[in-house]
Amino acid sequence: AAGVIQSPRHLIKEKRETATLKCYPIPRHDTVYWYQQGPGQDPQFLISFYEKMQSDKGSIPDRFSAQQFSDYHSELNMSSLELGDSALYFCASSSGQGGSWNTEAFFGQGTRLTVV
Amino acid sequence: QQPVQSPQAVILREGEDAVINCSSSKALYSVHWYRQKHGEAPVFLMILLKGGEQKGHDKISASFNEKKQQSSLYLTASQLSYSGTYFCGTEKSSGAGSYQLTFGKGTKLSVIP
Repeated sequence: AAGVIQSPRHLIKEKRETATLKCYPIPRHDTVYWYQQGPGQDPQFLISFYEKMQSDKGSIPDRFSAQQFSDYHSELNMSSLELGDSALYFCASSSGQGGSWNTEAFFGQGTRLTVV
Repeated sequence: QQPVQSPQAVILREGEDAVINCSSSKALYSVHWYRQKHGEAPVFLMILLKGGEQKGHDKISASFNEKKQQSSLYLTASQLSYSGTYFCGTEKSSGAGSYQLTFGKGTKLSVIP
């Protein structure tokens, strides 16, 4: 069965550079969520989209932006990267059924971002 | 508001049982349980919706006490494959259209032979 696809799997960037992370949800899933997970930390919610509109925002820095496109894939854009941005970034998707978390969310394998 | 999980870590021998607790100071709409192995994506275990329900999945079950704003995950006759970090995720009772799941800090479970 198709899963959530994230690309790239690994990314190394220098400080102050920009990075774009991509997420391809499971077909027919209309809701996408982005999480940031530091080493040994719990996943921190960044932002979510439902039907291509931003639906909720968590602890996402102003340097980051995201959007969901017409084909439901989503991109997380990160600018002016800092060392502290090094983390595993997960995307998850679900069939929102009106947007509430009453359905299972499937996580992608994550993008490991290293800022040097 | 981040839910609080306890214990932070637990070590079990194969075949032993464990309970992981998750509590919130806010009213909850649902509780989700995930297991994550090192360097991998969180894997869904189950969702419990308000109404005090219980669910089971093989030898893993969970309960949700809406009044106490608590959920517990029960692992019985643990297997080596149960090792990992267990996260509970909570959604506040904000009605339909809530798009944010907040995870607890996790409980690291290690099952040894």
